[in-house]
Amino acid sequence: AQSVSQHNHHVILSEAASLELGCNYSYGGTVNLFWYVQYPGQHLQLLLKYFSGDPLVKGIKGFEAEFIKSKFSFNLRKPSVQWSDTAEYFCAVKVGYKLSFGAGTTVTVRA
Amino acid sequence: DTAVSQTPKYLVTQMGNDKSIKCEQNLGHDTMYWYKQDSKKFLKIMFSYNNKELIINETVPNRFSPKSPDKAHLNLHINSLELGDSAVYFCASSQDSGGSADTQYFGPGTRLTVL
Repeated sequence: AQSVSQHNHHVILSEAASLELGCNYSYGGTVNLFWYVQYPGQHLQLLLKYFSGDPLVKGIKGFEAEFIKSKFSFNLRKPSVQWSDTAEYFCAVKVGYKLSFGAGTTVTVRA
Repeated sequence: DTAVSQTPKYLVTQMGNDKSIKCEQNLGHDTMYWYKQDSKKFLKIMFSYNNKELIINETVPNRFSPKSPDKAHLNLHINSLELGDSAVYFCASSQDSGGSADTQYFGPGTRLTVL
């Protein structure tokens, strides 16, 4: 069965700082990879996803992620965060119908 | 228009009661899901239905029973509620053929508190 690990439990940074959230998965076959965001009190929304092609994926709100197959990684980045990026970020791996989530990273952006 | 809706948004009940959470999607999707998010924000799949047929059934107590009357609805019934059932339950849907990267769209969640 696939599993997902997110390296950081809680990240605190100032506005305009750069953000990188680590995500590694364990599964030997073909996977589809996702990053979801959950703003305070809201439901999960898709930030971006990878299924094939260019390993550098661009998503909404200036986020991007890079799939490195040899490292089983799909790290999320944003060059300059805003206060409104304060949220919970989840990496997820999809195999077949099943979407498995990492434990999430809480990102707090200080104004 | 809300794509995936859940009712109720909040549910507070006593231990031992039976309760249901309803989910509806108007996206025309074939597949629907139930997830449980615990107090540490960890999200875990519970069930999935594709065209009204159960396709994912994770290790969940049999007090939890999903029901899909049609492909636009997936309800979750919980019998004999326990304290540990307190969580946020999310419904989701996707136009999914199993091996694809179709996005799952999530509902707003139902916060269940068992006293």
